[in-house]
Amino acid sequence: KAGVTQTPRYLIKTRGQQVTLSCSPISGHRSVSWYQQTPGQGLQFLFEYFSETQRNKGNFPGRFSGRQFSNSRSEMNVSTLELGDSALYLCASRNDIDNEQFFGPGTRLTVL
Amino acid sequence: DQQVKQNSPSLSVQEGRISILNCDYTNSMFDYFLWYKKYPAEGPTFLISISSIKDKNEDGRFTVFLNKSAKHLSLHIVPSQPGDSAVYFCAAETTAGSSNTGKLIFGQGTTLQVKP
Repeated sequence: KAGVTQTPRYLIKTRGQQVTLSCSPISGHRSVSWYQQTPGQGLQFLFEYFSETQRNKGNFPGRFSGRQFSNSRSEMNVSTLELGDSALYLCASRNDIDNEQFFGPGTRLTVL
Repeated sequence: DQQVKQNSPSLSVQEGRISILNCDYTNSMFDYFLWYKKYPAEGPTFLISISSIKDKNEDGRFTVFLNKSAKHLSLHIVPSQPGDSAVYFCAAETTAGSSNTGKLIFGQGTTLQVKP
């Protein structure tokens, strides 16, 4: 069974731009969560989607948004990029029964 | 307020010996705990988990112990192998209630080095 995939793997943007990251969960998994990893703050929860609905949200500004499609694929969008948004963005999927989340390889975003 | 803490940033052990990684938490609502292993520029890899109704869970070389009264969990790796060298994160979750779904709270990580 294929794992969680994320595209693109690397991205370079400039301040003020916006970016969209994509995540395809493990087949059959309907829950997708997004996390941001930075050296200073560690791994922080952004939001979680299930059946196209956002069920939970972390403490990030409204510039961070996401959505989920009917095939469970998810995208997250960051608008008006700031230097501090440079991070590894990870998505994780989970099935309806277990609590274990399985992570993708991440998208490394660099904001210049 | 850091709800999950890994107070040891690094740990070095000899191949074949036991590695013990520790994690403390403050939120008594956490009822599910996980350990992940991570290499640079990769996503975390799930290792083992434990529910708060248990105090021990074992999977091969990996054993997780949970002490709820102390709000402490530990990961034991026996025997340690050089391939185990990575950053280890503990994570906690409150599974009850729909508003808590999918939200893992991570510790800051412990870098384990296993020397040959």
